[in-house]
Amino acid sequence: GAGVSQSPRYKVAKRGQDVALRCDPISGHVSLFWYQQALGQGPEFLTYFQNEAQLDKSGLPSDRFFAERPEGSVSTLKIQRTQQEDSAVYLCASSLKLAGVYEQYFGPGTRLTVT
Amino acid sequence: KQEVTQIPAALSVPEGENLVLNCSFTDSAIYNLQWFRQDPGKGLTSLLLIQSSQREQTSGRLNASLDKSSGRSTLYIAASQPGDSATYLCAVRPHGATNKLIFGTGTLLAVQP
Repeated sequence: GAGVSQSPRYKVAKRGQDVALRCDPISGHVSLFWYQQALGQGPEFLTYFQNEAQLDKSGLPSDRFFAERPEGSVSTLKIQRTQQEDSAVYLCASSLKLAGVYEQYFGPGTRLTVT
Repeated sequence: KQEVTQIPAALSVPEGENLVLNCSFTDSAIYNLQWFRQDPGKGLTSLLLIQSSQREQTSGRLNASLDKSSGRSTLYIAASQPGDSATYLCAVRPHGATNKLIFGTGTLLAVQP
């Protein structure tokens, strides 16, 4: 079946612009995660949804970052007034609780470059 | 605060060699540990997931072990192939209200033909 998809795959933004990154999780997966991966680093947690409820946004680096999942399926990560330090790969993952295990499946990521 | 460390940061081996990648974590209160593979410009592919109650998991040429009390996991790759070249990441799911993963910085593996 289809995996997690993300769009766009690449985004170049001028400093100060707003961007919106989209994630389509695997159908039926109630949990959705956003991670930020800087060059040469491991992914770092940003935020977590269970259905449409945002249960944890402790990883969002500033109030310029906002995520939503209004119908419990597709999610959008929005970054306002982008800064150069926002340049990174943004990964989305979804998971389904199966026998108590939340195995996460990742999308290909969106590479954001802020110039 | 949970911290995950991977050693070595990079590794180059000739084809056919067996190898071990190491992962350590500071807090043993975890639900599970996952090993992922990441190819350049791609997302993460899950390789193995070990529950906290398990000691090891195997899939083909891969074997992952978990020693929760000492905060260590290893990924053993047998008979390495050039197609195994990638970055390998380990991640733990800590106890807590959410199901987020805490990642290490990865080991970049190059298998030379």
